[in-house]
Amino acid sequence: QKEVEQNSGPLSVPEGAIASLNCTYSDRGSQSFFWYRQYSGKSPELIMSIYSNGDKEDGRFTAQLNKASQYVSLLIRDSQPSDSATYLCAVKCWYRSNDYKLSFGAGTTVTVRA
Amino acid sequence: GAGVSQSPSNKVTEKGKDVELRCDPISGHTALYWYRQRLGQGLEFLIYFQGNSAPDKSGLPSDRFSAERTGESVSTLTIQRTQQEDSAVYLCASSLVPGVPSDTQYFGPGTRLTVL
Repeated sequence: QKEVEQNSGPLSVPEGAIASLNCTYSDRGSQSFFWYRQYSGKSPELIMSIYSNGDKEDGRFTAQLNKASQYVSLLIRDSQPSDSATYLCAVKCWYRSNDYKLSFGAGTTVTVRA
Repeated sequence: GAGVSQSPSNKVTEKGKDVELRCDPISGHTALYWYRQRLGQGLEFLIYFQGNSAPDKSGLPSDRFSAERTGESVSTLTIQRTQQEDSAVYLCASSLVPGVPSDTQYFGPGTRLTVL
């Protein structure tokens, strides 16, 4: 079983709609959760981080975390063509004293249709 | 300040040659990470440096891969006797305080390696 799993997509949504991205993880000890956006040919850039159960909103982005279900999601409201990218879910868990490992999912490709 | 920088941005080499990839982390960041990303794939962890601690080499795919870091500055990833399956984008990231949950990794632009 992969440590972090995402639907690869592609996820196609019309402009102005909500894009919903899902991510599950296997390590119950995971403590921190991140969403990175990666445009084609570019490096990943952080867009959201979440550490406790519930929702966290930042502009048009909302991250949702449910540790009991080992599930984290990202909602993109009012999707714009500029949101077309691959979204990487990353999960951090402690694996040795004072150290951690960040595991990445394979990414979900989102295409926003104008 | 400047972000993470990597050089070269592109490298084309012949099978069997050695290559060196360079990463310059954000100033003051104690932790440095190397990842590999094959076309259409996710990020594959390679190696992690934290201060003066022994590096975590658990992700290196073979003994042809090695990396060094001088103090808390520049790191070099070396691939010896390159193979075609080494073709990928090699990403470097750095972070400030890896011992806290909120610590965030910031990525460089990557080096695209093509082995002919």
